[in-house]
Amino acid sequence: KNQVEQSPQSLIILEGKNCTLQCNYTVSPFSNLRWYKQDTGRGPVSLTIMTFSENTKSNGRYTATLDADTKQSSLHITASQLSDSASYICVVSRMDSNYQLIWGAGTKLIIKP
Amino acid sequence: EAEVAQSPRYKITEKSQAVAFWCDPISGHATLYWYRQILGQGPELLVQFQDESVVDDSQLPKDRFSAERLKGVDSTLKIQPAELGDSAMYLCASSLGPSKGQFFGPGTRLTVL
Repeated sequence: KNQVEQSPQSLIILEGKNCTLQCNYTVSPFSNLRWYKQDTGRGPVSLTIMTFSENTKSNGRYTATLDADTKQSSLHITASQLSDSASYICVVSRMDSNYQLIWGAGTKLIIKP
Repeated sequence: EAEVAQSPRYKITEKSQAVAFWCDPISGHATLYWYRQILGQGPELLVQFQDESVVDDSQLPKDRFSAERLKGVDSTLKIQPAELGDSAMYLCASSLGPSKGQFFGPGTRLTVL
C-alpha cells in the first residue's frame, strides 16, 4: 500500500534551536519527494523537491535529505525562528500517468521564544 | 510573483444549501487540482484537470460534488447539497504539468451549520 508516515506528530522547540523531522514512505514506483510548509489557515508552500538521484537539497535554513534505498527522508531546520511555526508535510509522487501524490499527515512544529 | 487565486476565502452555509468555490491558476499552468483538507490531516485530492479535461476524480463524491474547467483556465468546484461533514479547507493548486511542483492558493474555509 502506498503510504507516507511522518514523525513526530508534533514538536515544540525553543527559538534558535535546530530540529529534524522524519518521513518514511512505501510509495512505488517513486518519482520525487516534496516537503511543504503550511501555516495555519493557509495553503502549503513548497520547500524542496528531490528526485531519486538527489541526496540533499537546501532552501535557506531548510535542508532535506533523501535515502531512496531505505525510503526515508528528513527535513532539518537550522537556527529556528518564530516564523517557522507551521505544519511540515512530506509528499511522495508516484511515477504513474498522473504522478499521483501521496501525502503525509504532517508534523506540527511550534517554536517558542 | 504569480499566485493562485481563490474565492471566497471563507464561506458559512447551512446544510442542504449549494456552495461554489472559484480558482484562478497561475497563467500557463495546464494542470489544476482541487483538494479538501480536514484540520490536522494532509490534503485529499478531489479532482485533477489537465487543461479542460478531468484526469482523476476518483475521490470526488459525485452525488453532490461537481467541478469544471470549461476553457482550461479558471475552475469552479460546487457542492450541492452541502452536508455537515463537508466543513473543511478547500485548496486549489496548479502546476506546469503533473510531474512539476504544485503552487497552492490560500484556500476557502467552508463551515456547514
